[in-house]
Amino acid sequence: DTGVSQNPRHKITKRGQNVTFRCDPISEHNRLYWYRQTLGQGPEFLTYFQNEAQLEKSRLLSDRFSAERPKGSFSTLEIQRTEQGDSAMYLCASSPSGISGGGDTQYFGPGTRLTVL
Amino acid sequence: GQQLNQSPQSMFIQEGEDVSMNCTSSSIFNTWLWYKQDPGEGPVLLIALYKAGELTSNGRLTAQFGITRKDSFLNISASIPSDVGIYFCAGQIISNFGNEKLTFGTGTRLTIIP
Repeated sequence: DTGVSQNPRHKITKRGQNVTFRCDPISEHNRLYWYRQTLGQGPEFLTYFQNEAQLEKSRLLSDRFSAERPKGSFSTLEIQRTEQGDSAMYLCASSPSGISGGGDTQYFGPGTRLTVL
Repeated sequence: GQQLNQSPQSMFIQEGEDVSMNCTSSSIFNTWLWYKQDPGEGPVLLIALYKAGELTSNGRLTAQFGITRKDSFLNISASIPSDVGIYFCAGQIISNFGNEKLTFGTGTRLTIIP
């Protein structure tokens, strides 16, 4: 399978604990995106990497959230001191390096569903 | 965060019926996309539109990029059981960083009545 993979698929944690999710993009895709989707809503942009550089962060990404993409391959999203409001599906997407003018297709992974008790 | 206005919110149809849904925005986008999402899975791309006024088909699906670049429409003809799911529109615009982040609609849930 050469699609975007995410692990774990499900995570249940207690409030106040730290959690880390992993995303493996499609091989050779330079761009990697994280989105968050709450129940009944569409996905919302969190942050974006071009290779290993994190170039933009949404205001939705509080100080408790940190994302990395070492070596420009897989990415991790860590949430510290989780809160019940963090419960959501966390989606990762990747796309090829954009040509000026853009429009590259983003391919999504299956997501990690986080439940904070 | 911003979400695009998508309607209808839900649809209950019989197998074989045609389906229409639309998406509107207060902002201009230079790309419109339509995704389908099954329960517990990530969105899967159905159709991408790159030019205002463009009409594109993918099998039984047809989508249009509005002339104003602020709206898009998706039609599904002769619905079948596997069409059940949630359909999302998404607008794409290039930011100053070259970020092509997607802004999604609120979704249309399609249910087929036996």
